[in-house]
Amino acid sequence: AQSVTQPDIHITVSEGASLELRCNYSYGATPYLFWYVQSPGQGLQLLLKYFSGDTLVQGIKGFEAEFKRSQSSFNLRKPSVHWSDAAEYFCAVADNNDMRFGAGTRLTVKP
Amino acid sequence: IAGITQAPTSQILAAGRRMTLRCTQDMRHNAMYWYRQDLGLGLRLIHYSNTAGTTGKGEVPDGYSVSRANTDDFPLTLASAVPSQTSVYFCASSEAPEGRRQYFGPGTRLTVL
Repeated sequence: AQSVTQPDIHITVSEGASLELRCNYSYGATPYLFWYVQSPGQGLQLLLKYFSGDTLVQGIKGFEAEFKRSQSSFNLRKPSVHWSDAAEYFCAVADNNDMRFGAGTRLTVKP
Repeated sequence: IAGITQAPTSQILAAGRRMTLRCTQDMRHNAMYWYRQDLGLGLRLIHYSNTAGTTGKGEVPDGYSVSRANTDDFPLTLASAVPSQTSVYFCASSEAPEGRRQYFGPGTRLTVL
């Protein structure tokens, strides 16, 4: 079965700084890849997804992610972080009805 | 359009009691899912349903059962709750099971004492 690793449990960045959240996956074929964001006490909101085609995908709120097959990675990036980006971020890989999530990375934004 | 609703929002339950978490979607999605979210473990799939009348087991199905009598509703039942089932439970749906985006409900926080 596929699996997802998010190596960073917690990341702190200053407002306005760039951000990269790491995600590595294990899957035999080309996976469906997702990034979700969860604000405290809320459900999950989709930021972006990759199914095929261009390996650099754009999402909402100024986020982007790049699929790198050679590194089995799907890292999330944002050039300039806003205080409202503080949340928990989950990477996920899907194979039909089996979606596996990473353990999440909590983002703290310093003023 | 409400999307996905879950009830109750939160619940404290004595061990050994039976509990049903409700999930309803109004998007006419074929596939529905139940996840539990635990600190440090992310979300783990409990059960899923590709279409009304069918269900399947996910990663952590033990102690849980589901039914899918119609398209809109996908209740999750704990027949005899145990403290290890203390968690936040999320229901989700997608148009189709083939790797499509999932839409999540607001969650149910369940505490089993």
